[in-house]
Amino acid sequence: DAGVIQSPRHEVTEMGQEVTLRCKPISGHNSLFWYRQTMMRGLELLIYFNNNVPIDDSGMPEDRFSAKMPNASFSTLKIQPSEPRDSAVYFCASSPRTGGNEKLFFGSGTQLSVL
Amino acid sequence: AQTVTQSQPEMSVQEAETVTLSCTYDTSESDYYLFWYKQPPSRQMILVIRQEAYKQQNATENRFSVNFQKAAKSFSLKISDSQLGDAAMYFCAYRSLVNYKLTFGKGTLLTVNP
Repeated sequence: DAGVIQSPRHEVTEMGQEVTLRCKPISGHNSLFWYRQTMMRGLELLIYFNNNVPIDDSGMPEDRFSAKMPNASFSTLKIQPSEPRDSAVYFCASSPRTGGNEKLFFGSGTQLSVL
Repeated sequence: AQTVTQSQPEMSVQEAETVTLSCTYDTSESDYYLFWYKQPPSRQMILVIRQEAYKQQNATENRFSVNFQKAAKSFSLKISDSQLGDAAMYFCAYRSLVNYKLTFGKGTLLTVNP
């Protein structure tokens, strides 16, 4: 298995532009998580899905952020419009939802820079 | 909501020595899971060790072991015989069995000196 696949690995954009981050979870995994990592705030959970349904989006910072999971093999995190303070590494992770001891498998992250 | 606190932003250890990284958490749940993840400069998140809260026995994975004190809500990581490859950011994490959310601490940056 190729693991969790995120694209792009790096994204540089200008303030006000729309940014779309993509994630392909591991086949068979039922849970998908989006995290944001910054020096100041560490790893923050933005949103997570179980069986393609958003369960908790309380970590989404504001309405500029949205996430979708149209099917079990694909998810997107969109920022529109982007701002410099959105610059961070965004991680996607998946896990089987068979129990809490299941580890999360992380993608390599997307380094987002908003100028 | 659960919180995870890592009080040591940075730690250093000499190669072949032992180091302990601290972690405390706050929860009202009686059953849950705890994890330590390692993040090297490559930025990949790697699971180091996991502990089920209902188990009294401390988890061990080769040179890595934990000291789990449920009453004190403490979950420290001990790395024995430290190697240069252990240098990384280490994150403590709590996973709820109510909503399955995984909450991370702010991390401890470990430096291994040759």
